[in-house]
Amino acid sequence: QKEVEQNSGPLSVPEGAIASLNCTYSDRGSQSFFWYRQYSGKSPELIMSIYSNGDKEDGRFTAQLNKASQYVSLLIRDSQPSDSATYLCAVNPGGYQKVTFGIGTKLQVIP
Amino acid sequence: GAGVSQSPSNKVTEKGKDVELRCDPISGHTALYWYRQSLGQGLEFLIYFQGNSAPDKSGLPSDRFSAERTGGSVSTLTIQRTQQEDSAVYLCASSAPTGRVSYEQYFGPGTRLTVT
Repeated sequence: QKEVEQNSGPLSVPEGAIASLNCTYSDRGSQSFFWYRQYSGKSPELIMSIYSNGDKEDGRFTAQLNKASQYVSLLIRDSQPSDSATYLCAVNPGGYQKVTFGIGTKLQVIP
Repeated sequence: GAGVSQSPSNKVTEKGKDVELRCDPISGHTALYWYRQSLGQGLEFLIYFQGNSAPDKSGLPSDRFSAERTGGSVSTLTIQRTQQEDSAVYLCASSAPTGRVSYEQYFGPGTRLTVT
């Protein structure tokens, strides 16, 4: 079982719709969770961090964490073509252990 | 402030040559990571430095790869006797613990390595 699992996609959504990106992780003791956005040919960029169960909103982005289900998601409201990118989920087990990345989900927002 | 910088941005080398890739992390960041990303693929972890602790080298693909971090700041990734399969973008990231459970990573622009 991979430590951090994501569907590679592509996930296609029409402009203005809600995009839902999902991630599961295997280490039940994980403490920190991150979403990165990577445009083609660019390096990953941190867009959201979440540490506690529940929702965290930042503009059009909402991160959701459910530690009991070992599940973290990212919702993008009012999706725009500029949101088209690969979204990477990352998990830190805690302490000084390394962060582990999922393979990423490619999102395509169709105008 | 200044972000993570990497040099060179592009490197073309002949098979069998050695290469050195440099990473300058964000000032004060205690953790530094190296990743490799082949075209269309995910991030492949290579090595992780945290403060003065022994580095986590579990991702290095072979003994041709090595890395060091001098003075807790600048890091150099060295690939000896390069092979064509080493061609990829090499990404460096740094982070600083802002709390007990915070490890937000900030990435450099990467070095694109092409082995001919």
